[in-house]
Amino acid sequence: DAKTTQPPSMDCAEGRAANLPCNHSTISGNEYVYWYRQIHSQGPQYIIHGLKNNETNEMASLIITEDRKSSTLILPHATLRDTAVYYCIGSIQGAQKLVFGQGTRLTINP
Amino acid sequence: GAVVSQHPSRVICKSGTSVKIECRSLDFQATTMFWYRQFPKKSLMLMATSNEGSKATYEQGVEKDKFLINHASLTLSTLTVTSAHPEDSSFYICSAITRGLAETQYFGPGTRLLVL
Repeated sequence: DAKTTQPPSMDCAEGRAANLPCNHSTISGNEYVYWYRQIHSQGPQYIIHGLKNNETNEMASLIITEDRKSSTLILPHATLRDTAVYYCIGSIQGAQKLVFGQGTRLTINP
Repeated sequence: GAVVSQHPSRVICKSGTSVKIECRSLDFQATTMFWYRQFPKKSLMLMATSNEGSKATYEQGVEKDKFLINHASLTLSTLTVTSAHPEDSSFYICSAITRGLAETQYFGPGTRLLVL
């Protein structure tokens, strides 16, 4: 599994877009970039994943650079409920094992 | 998305006793389930991978005789912490993978175990 690097913490104002970066320079060609988040004392929640192309769903957008060495998770209009630890994970789809790093603690401020 | 439940959500037990935690996939069949452990202010650590109908695969350093895993059906896996010690107190989280939903791993809400 690719090693990922994320900033330990970030702040964002409520209503603004939250942009969370992730570096994964050693990602292999068949590894997807997965994003999960964990709100305090809960299990991780799946957000989005992608391989090469940018992806968007009802929760977020995922922008992957052309060389696939980094990506950005975008929460378009952050709310207080988006305060959580966000994990960026590189994994082969279907290979199952997810290795969690320390993630980014995102705090949304009113 | 797929729903995974865990029971109980929290449990307190005495040292030396055994505790069973259930993990269920509610609206899909999970061929593979995973058990993680999370200590305060730390990230999730994978303990074992459980495939339906076969023995679990444990990560290095995880005692298989202490953490018994059973995956008897496509919707249920159980983790039994045997002869629990205070240092086993932790947040235990299961997850399940389904081939029908792009093989994405979905997590349960977690079980907080406190061993006195």
